[in-house]
Amino acid sequence: EVQLVESGGGLVQPGGSLRLSCAASGFIFTSYWMSWVRQVPGKGLEWVANIKQDGSEKFYADSVNGRFTISRDNAKNSLYLQMNSLRAEDTAMYYCATILLSAYNIWGQGTMVTVSS
Amino acid sequence: DIVMTQTPLSSPVTLGQPASISCRSSQSLVHGDGNTYLSWLQQRPGQPPRLLIYLISNRFSGVPDRFSGSGTGTDFTLKISRVEAEDVGVYYCMQATQFPYTFGQGTKLDIK
Repeated sequence: EVQLVESGGGLVQPGGSLRLSCAASGFIFTSYWMSWVRQVPGKGLEWVANIKQDGSEKFYADSVNGRFTISRDNAKNSLYLQMNSLRAEDTAMYYCATILLSAYNIWGQGTMVTVSS
Repeated sequence: DIVMTQTPLSSPVTLGQPASISCRSSQSLVHGDGNTYLSWLQQRPGQPPRLLIYLISNRFSGVPDRFSGSGTGTDFTLKISRVEAEDVGVYYCMQATQFPYTFGQGTKLDIK
């Protein structure tokens, strides 16, 4: 079964850090660009970051650039998002997704991040 | 950044009737490689988004043929030929022609 499973979300204080993980299975992980997308509950979707198949290229939204780092471990079929200097406005459901022909063809169920004191 | 504007934002539809959602981009979505990276996503209540249409008009695997996409340049449309109960949710257009990728605000489809 093709699957993406996110983990690592939770409650963190402003200024704190979290590391999200996304475990891939059922498909050839190394064939895909990967992405993180977030969604404030009840609101729309916001692109966060992309990473190329071999990790050599990374792109970030301005809102997270310099604070978040996307990475992947192809040996473990895993994608990561290191989030530092977290702010209240980073509170959202975080989804990992695969990219095929520049469209998000596989999505995980998401992991919730809440930044609050 | 490319701004994606969807209309309507809410669409009550009668079961079995057609529905249409428009998406307009603030600039052309034609990429330098000749492709137009416009896709449509569906998000059912309590679920992650799901890909319906990519490259303007290509249905993704498993998507019913009542869904169709069309358009060119800056104006795009998602059509549902006959709405079914399972189509309730929020629909988003998305552009991946230029970073940052951007999404429309979403159109909520519900049943009258």
